[in-house]
Amino acid sequence: DAKTTQPNSMESNEEEPVHLPCNHSTISGTDYIHWYRQLPSQGPEYVIHGLTSNVNNRMASLAIAEDRKSSTLILHRATLRDAAVYYCILRDVTSGTYKYIFGTGTRLKVLA
Amino acid sequence: SAVISQKPSRDICQRGTSLTIQCQVDSQVTMMFWYRQQPGQSLTLIATANQGSEATYESGFVIDKFPISRPNLTFSTLTVSNMSPEDSSIYLCSVGGRATDTQYFGPGTRLTVL
Repeated sequence: DAKTTQPNSMESNEEEPVHLPCNHSTISGTDYIHWYRQLPSQGPEYVIHGLTSNVNNRMASLAIAEDRKSSTLILHRATLRDAAVYYCILRDVTSGTYKYIFGTGTRLKVLA
Repeated sequence: SAVISQKPSRDICQRGTSLTIQCQVDSQVTMMFWYRQQPGQSLTLIATANQGSEATYESGFVIDKFPISRPNLTFSTLTVSNMSPEDSSIYLCSVGGRATDTQYFGPGTRLTVL
């Protein structure tokens, strides 16, 4: 299973943009990049995913490097509610198992 | 999307006993997954449970310790057997369909073993 590397923790000021990096140098051509976040005392929730092109949704943007060996989750305006652990996960669409292998994640602290 | 509920939400159990955790989904799903999250740690996949077949366990997890049932497309149970304090964790179920789809996670069951 391909692995991801993320910083253990990051801080951001409220209402400022946040860039959460993820390295996945061993990514294969069939791996999708998924981002989830886990708020305190809750199960993980989906944020965004992509394959090659940058992606936007109402929660965030995902910027994928041209060689796909890294990606960045962008929260355009951090709020206190965005304080969570963010997980970057690679998902192989050809394995048939569809399982997620979680890394250590980045704990985001948002300062008021 | 899918709405997932788990029972119990939390429990405190004695060493040597067993606890069965239920996972109910509001729609029919092919794949269900069980995870363990030890205190302060990330999620670790225990097994994949597909309806009509035996669960597939990840390395380090065995059926005798974590038997799983999947009687239909909306329900699954995970039993934590012969518990020890090291089993104190949050246990989460999730559901997912196609490889490009998202997974939806339940709220988790917080287990404390004394």
